[in-house]
Amino acid sequence: QSALTQAPSASGSPGQSVTISCTGTSSDVGGYNYVSWYQQHPGKAPKLMIYEVSKRPSGVPDRFSGSKSDNTASLTVSGLQAEDEADYYCSSYAGSNNYVFGTGTKVTVL
Amino acid sequence: QVQLHESGPGLVKPSETLSLTCTVSGGSISSSYWSWIRQPPGKGLEWIGFIHYSGSASYNPSLKSRVTISEDTSKNQFSLKVNSVTAADTAMYYCARVGGGLAFDYWGQGTLVTVSS
Repeated sequence: QSALTQAPSASGSPGQSVTISCTGTSSDVGGYNYVSWYQQHPGKAPKLMIYEVSKRPSGVPDRFSGSKSDNTASLTVSGLQAEDEADYYCSSYAGSNNYVFGTGTKVTVL
Repeated sequence: QVQLHESGPGLVKPSETLSLTCTVSGGSISSSYWSWIRQPPGKGLEWIGFIHYSGSASYNPSLKSRVTISEDTSKNQFSLKVNSVTAADTAMYYCARVGGGLAFDYWGQGTLVTVSS
């Protein structure tokens, strides 16, 4: 299984929105509504931000939202804040008890 | 609050076996699935595999021939073994719980394993 494709970087000014895409295939992203997103600050463990495409765990700000169309999932961060600067990874269930992660996107707050 | 903590040697010689343990507190491993994920320095995340408390396990096809994940419910722990390691296995290794929506909802802080002679 190949890693899901994400743009290496994205950026936005404070208060703006940034959208990160995650492209897979019909065998993973397109085949299941089990896409999740993780935020990782330098030197820290990843943190779950979105699960089942668009659901937010308790404690995650509603500035974070997720969606999916065909084989591409997206994470939007609205009202960018300095603390949102981090690496973001998508992940998808890929069938047959397998998972695959995205290549990661570094979000910079200008 | 579920907490996970990885432990094991930080240095392993090439061709030897990497062995790590994840200790779970604040919850029982006799529920849900438990996973290992790794991240080479400066690179992205790679799913290694998971285990269910029943003992059934699933592995990343690219690692399947070298990886074994097991569990010890009496100690509330699960473990990872990677055989015949090379420098390419140098990474931060994380253990995590598979929660609702098949997402990794709780993570350990990670442990760095370096493969070097």
